[in-house]
Amino acid sequence: AQKITQTQPGMFVQEKEAVTLDCTYDTSDQSYGLFWYKQPSSGEMIFLIYQGSYDEQNATEGRYSLNFQKARKSANLVISASQLGDSAMYFCAMREVSNFGNEKLTFGTGTRLTIIP
Amino acid sequence: DAMVIQNPRYQVTQFGKPVTLSCSQTLNHNVMYWYQQKSSQAPKLLFHYYDKDFNNEADTPDNFQSRRPNTSFCFLDIRSPGLGDAAMYLCATSRAAGVLETQYFGPGTRLLVL
Repeated sequence: AQKITQTQPGMFVQEKEAVTLDCTYDTSDQSYGLFWYKQPSSGEMIFLIYQGSYDEQNATEGRYSLNFQKARKSANLVISASQLGDSAMYFCAMREVSNFGNEKLTFGTGTRLTIIP
Repeated sequence: DAMVIQNPRYQVTQFGKPVTLSCSQTLNHNVMYWYQQKSSQAPKLLFHYYDKDFNNEADTPDNFQSRRPNTSFCFLDIRSPGLGDAAMYLCATSRAAGVLETQYFGPGTRLLVL
């Protein structure tokens, strides 16, 4: 079963507009971590923002904020005042324990964001 | 700046010729991970080290091996690369294991198999 679902394969947004990237997750664990990463065309995976399952307040990091709705199991990324440099692939990920007993980061399929001048 | 470094950034190898990718970190993190990312796909965990303890994912082929001689360095060895092993290989670290720990990634090594 899909653990992390990103329903938007691609998005086009006008520069300076805000954008919301959707992410829903599935887990029966009480303790989990949700992460967003940005991957430009160069390939590097850049950590953006993190939300712990016990955090009551939504995480914010500069222009990035995470709209965490625990009951709905969603963790959407909001980018305010988008810039051309925001064009990249964005991955939502959840830290969980694998079937092999190891902890790992499970990624969604990603959303390719393109900022239009 | 503390960081995760991967060398080389691009690696070309021949079908069946062993290849080693390297990762180093100045973060002094206990856990190091290797991910494989094929084109237009999400990264897939191959294995990780917690200190010297090696943890393999169940579906990682035997063709992939890893070494961690010390805290700072971790190597990915592909014993007999096939065409299907062409991918981006990402190294990551985290301070500790645990669902609330952030993983920090290196810039990746793109492997091309001819």
